[in-house]
Amino acid sequence: DIQMTQSPSTLSASVGDRVTITCRASQSISSWLAWYQQKPGKAPKLLFHKASSLESGVPSRFSGSGSGTEFTLTISSLQPDDFATYYCQQYNSYSRTFGQGTKVEIK
Amino acid sequence: EVQLVESGGDLVQPGGSLRLSCAASGFTFSTYAMSWVRQAPGKGLEWVSVISGSGGSTDYADSVKGRFTISRDNSKNTLYLQMNSLRAEDTAVYYCAKERGAYGDFPLDYWGQGTLVTVSS
Repeated sequence: DIQMTQSPSTLSASVGDRVTITCRASQSISSWLAWYQQKPGKAPKLLFHKASSLESGVPSRFSGSGSGTEFTLTISSLQPDDFATYYCQQYNSYSRTFGQGTKVEIK
Repeated sequence: EVQLVESGGDLVQPGGSLRLSCAASGFTFSTYAMSWVRQAPGKGLEWVSVISGSGGSTDYADSVKGRFTISRDNSKNTLYLQMNSLRAEDTAVYYCAKERGAYGDFPLDYWGQGTLVTVSS
């Protein structure tokens, strides 16, 4: 199975900061990567598909990049609504797998 | 509007069985693959199983293979997860989620609110 590794596990940042989360796949997944945002007690929300395709309604301060085995999610200017946990997920194989998550906390 | 509503979560003893349901509305159910994803208390997301739109193809995480069975009734717009030989480590909120296509390389674009399964004596 394909393993997904996110870093960091926790990120402390302030409003207005630029933050980057990295996701690495144990083998090439082309661009078959999604990013999700989850807030406490809520279901995850799809932010990106195909590594860099922004979902409708997601603010443009979010960007996604990468292909193969290394991917990044960047928030250009962190807003109060962005404090949440972010997950990457590969869907290159039928056995989809998630990264372990990155919690973005208020510094 | 797409809606996914899970039900069936409960407290069950180790070794027991449970069937979860997910009622779908707002889209042509048989056109899309569906997945189950779980989240143990305070932990991350774990993909559990997927079924194609027709129901003819399925796949499972190694952690549940041989114990869980995913199925769907397209006439009732309902997804199921039959869980047997339950273990304490199966305790989690179980989400059903819609994939963006019939089966294959698609993300999960809509999620239900989840149903809690607790395995404990």
